[in-house]
Amino acid sequence: AQTVTQSQPEMSVQEAETVTLSCTYDTSENNYYLFWYKQPPSRQMILVIRQEAYKQQNATENRFSVNFQKAAKSFSLKISDSQLGDTAMYFCAFMNSNFGNEKLTFGTGTRLTIIP
Amino acid sequence: GAVVSQHPSWVICKSGTSVKIECRSLDFQATTMFWYRQFPKQSLMLMATSNEGSKATYEQGVEKDKFLINHASLTLSTLTVTSAHPEDSSFYICSARDPRTWRPQHFGDGTRLSIL
Repeated sequence: AQTVTQSQPEMSVQEAETVTLSCTYDTSENNYYLFWYKQPPSRQMILVIRQEAYKQQNATENRFSVNFQKAAKSFSLKISDSQLGDTAMYFCAFMNSNFGNEKLTFGTGTRLTIIP
Repeated sequence: GAVVSQHPSWVICKSGTSVKIECRSLDFQATTMFWYRQFPKQSLMLMATSNEGSKATYEQGVEKDKFLINHASLTLSTLTVTSAHPEDSSFYICSARDPRTWRPQHFGDGTRLSIL
């Protein structure tokens, strides 16, 4: 079974600064997907960014980027120029790439607060 | 884009009653839907995988007779909490896989269940 670990329960940063959220995972699979989800106070789950394990290039989405280290099984999220709207819970998630086994395994989450 | 609708968003009921939560994929056919439970300030825990036309697959530790799942059509899955008790109070979220896209799952907005 896969496990996902987020070691930072809470983080806070000043507006406009850069923050990095950590995530490690454990799996015996070679092909899989990794995701970062954002859950604001409204509790809606919002996909922030994804990474395919077979791709060496780190994914980027505007102010969001990841540092994917496959050998170390590490998948951190960097938020640049942080904004007040970035305040939310952030969950790292793992998904096996095998068709028919697409359930997501979530980490425990990091509560991020952007300070004005 | 693809949307998953979950209803109701909030329900309060007396202990001993049964509560049904609906999850609909609005513009795509979802052969697979997922049901999660989230306690306050915690992560999402997968309860079961709902498969259209067949029995749901429950995660270890989830009571099948307590949480009845029906996936009778390609756009609707229901979760019924039977004989609900205060310990069943939680936030329940459904998601659905759109086979037309790379996105792993589209999430509903969740249902806040409070048992008095």
